[in-house]
Amino acid sequence: DIQMTQSPSSLSASVGDRVTITCRASQSISSYLDWYQQKPGKAPKLLIYAASSLQSGVPSRFTGSGSGTDFTLTISSLQPEDFATYYCQQSYSTPYTFGQGTKLEIK
Amino acid sequence: QVQLQESGPGLVKPSGTLSLTCAVSGASIITSNWWIWVRQPPGKGLEWIGEIYHSGSTNYNPSLKSRVTMSVDKSKNQFSLKLTSVTVADTAVYYCARQEVGAFDIWGQGTMVTVFS
Repeated sequence: DIQMTQSPSSLSASVGDRVTITCRASQSISSYLDWYQQKPGKAPKLLIYAASSLQSGVPSRFTGSGSGTDFTLTISSLQPEDFATYYCQQSYSTPYTFGQGTKLEIK
Repeated sequence: QVQLQESGPGLVKPSGTLSLTCAVSGASIITSNWWIWVRQPPGKGLEWIGEIYHSGSTNYNPSLKSRVTMSVDKSKNQFSLKLTSVTVADTAVYYCARQEVGAFDIWGQGTMVTVFS
């Protein structure tokens, strides 16, 4: 199985801050990397697919980059609704696997 | 728009079988998409259970493969999950989702399944 490791596991930030979350794969996954946002009691929501493509309807302050084993999700200017848990997921090979999550909290 | 809705018992006894259905509305299940099951134990992360294509082709997580069966009912536009020999470790929110361009772009709201006697 491909292991996905996110860092940090938790992060405190303020509205307007720029934040970056990192995801590392245990082997190369090309650009088969997706990012999800999950709020308490809700299903995950797709933000970024194929490492850098913005899902329809997702604000442009979310950007994804990377390829191979190292990927990042950047939120350029945090908004109140962005405080949530973020997961990366590889869609390169089954079993598809997720990172452990990064909880973004208000400072 | 496409919507997915999980349904099934919220309580299952240990050693019993968990059975869930995901109803697809707003689109036919007979598309080029794979249909997915993911679960999330309380307070924990996401685990991919497996996927099914409308033809009946499946891929399962090896960690669950011996206990999982997925099926498709094209006449009802839905797909299903069965997980046998459940234990308390199978207590989780179970989500169904659609796979599009590799990613899971549409999700059901999730259904909580608790295993206890």
